[in-house]
Amino acid sequence: QVQLQESGPGVVKPAETLSLSCSVSGGSISSHYWSWIRQSAGKGLEWIGRIYSVGSTDYSPSFKSRVTISPDTSNNQVSLRLTSVTAADTAVYYCAREKVGYSGTFESWGQGILVTV
Amino acid sequence: EIVLTQSPATLSLSPGETATLSCRASQSVRNYLAWYQQKPGQAPRLLIYDASKRATGIPARFSGSGSGTDFTLTISSLEPEDFALYYCQQRNNWPPPLTFGGGTRLEIK
Repeated sequence: QVQLQESGPGVVKPAETLSLSCSVSGGSISSHYWSWIRQSAGKGLEWIGRIYSVGSTDYSPSFKSRVTISPDTSNNQVSLRLTSVTAADTAVYYCAREKVGYSGTFESWGQGILVTV
Repeated sequence: EIVLTQSPATLSLSPGETATLSCRASQSVRNYLAWYQQKPGQAPRLLIYDASKRATGIPARFSGSGSGTDFTLTISSLEPEDFALYYCQQRNNWPPPLTFGGGTRLEIK
């Protein structure tokens, strides 16, 4: 049973960079697609982007200019960086694993981490 | 971007009753629609994918139907633990972007 755990600072100042990690246990990040999704009161659930294996990425056009998702295979983690944050980036950030063979279907989620800008 | 509209926003029912939740897409998503349940303080949980396939461990009282632009999540014989938020999500023309609906709150009457 795979488990995902988000970590990082709970508070980020405006114009700075938000950096989060997703630790994966019970499975390797080198398989499956791993996404970052956020949830805010204003915009609901928003898909940010995803990574597959050691570097293939896809990003939502809404975030593409500000986001980087990268792997840390030595620690079995997936990282999210979001630059130039504003109050609108205040949200709960989740990492999630896609279901094999059903790209874009999220079968496992972390508990989420609240980030306040 | 495909917009998903969920209705009603809030549904008030009693345990034992049947809940019918709707999700309408602004354009066809074929059958590439999923439903998630979210309880307070928890992450969403996958219930249904590809419109009608139940995810692992999901009780049979949860069923999904529809294709194209109109989809329904039916929860029969509501249990107390079923009262929660429900979201639909499409993955047509993926990637990106995929989108989520605004949610339906199922509350105890």
